[in-house]
Amino acid sequence: AQSVTQLGSHVSVSEGALVLLRCNYSSSVPPYLFWYVQYPNQGLQLLLKYTTGATLVKGINGFEAEFKKSETSFHLTKPSAHMSDAAEYFCAVLPEDYKLSFGAGTTVTVRA
Amino acid sequence: DTAVSQTPKYLVTQMGNDKSIKCEQNLGHDTMYWYKQDSKKFLKIMFSYNNKELIINETVPNRFSPKSPDKAHLNLHINSLELGDSAVYFCASIGLNTEAFFGQGTRLTVV
Repeated sequence: AQSVTQLGSHVSVSEGALVLLRCNYSSSVPPYLFWYVQYPNQGLQLLLKYTTGATLVKGINGFEAEFKKSETSFHLTKPSAHMSDAAEYFCAVLPEDYKLSFGAGTTVTVRA
Repeated sequence: DTAVSQTPKYLVTQMGNDKSIKCEQNLGHDTMYWYKQDSKKFLKIMFSYNNKELIINETVPNRFSPKSPDKAHLNLHINSLELGDSAVYFCASIGLNTEAFFGQGTRLTVV
């Protein structure tokens, strides 16, 4: 079964600092990969996705992620954190059987 | 127009009751899901339907029964509610572009 592992359940950054959230997936065949964000009391919103092609994927709100097959990783970054980035972030994998599975999530707090 | 809508948004009920949560999507997607999000924010897949056919049925108590009257609707019925069923339940749909859209969630509290 496909799975994703998010390293670090909590990340705290200063406003303006780099945000780095780590995600590794387990698969012999590269699946579709996603990052979702969840703001308090809301549903999940897609930040970006990797399907095929370019390994550096740009998403909304200044986020981007790089797919590295050799490392089975799909880490999410944002060069400069904003207070509005405080939220829960989920890495997800969609294999061929369409069983969309999520990592445990990373809570991001942004310090002024 | 809301892409994926769930009702109700909040549900407070007593142990032993039966309740339903409804979900509708207007995106024309073939595949829909139910997820349970616990207090630690972990998202666990429960069920998935593709064009009204059950394709994923995780290890969920049989008190939970999904029903899909058509491909735009996926409802979740829960019998004999227990305290441990308290959680936020999310409906989602996914199309050929592989992007999943989520509803706003239903916060179920069993007392």
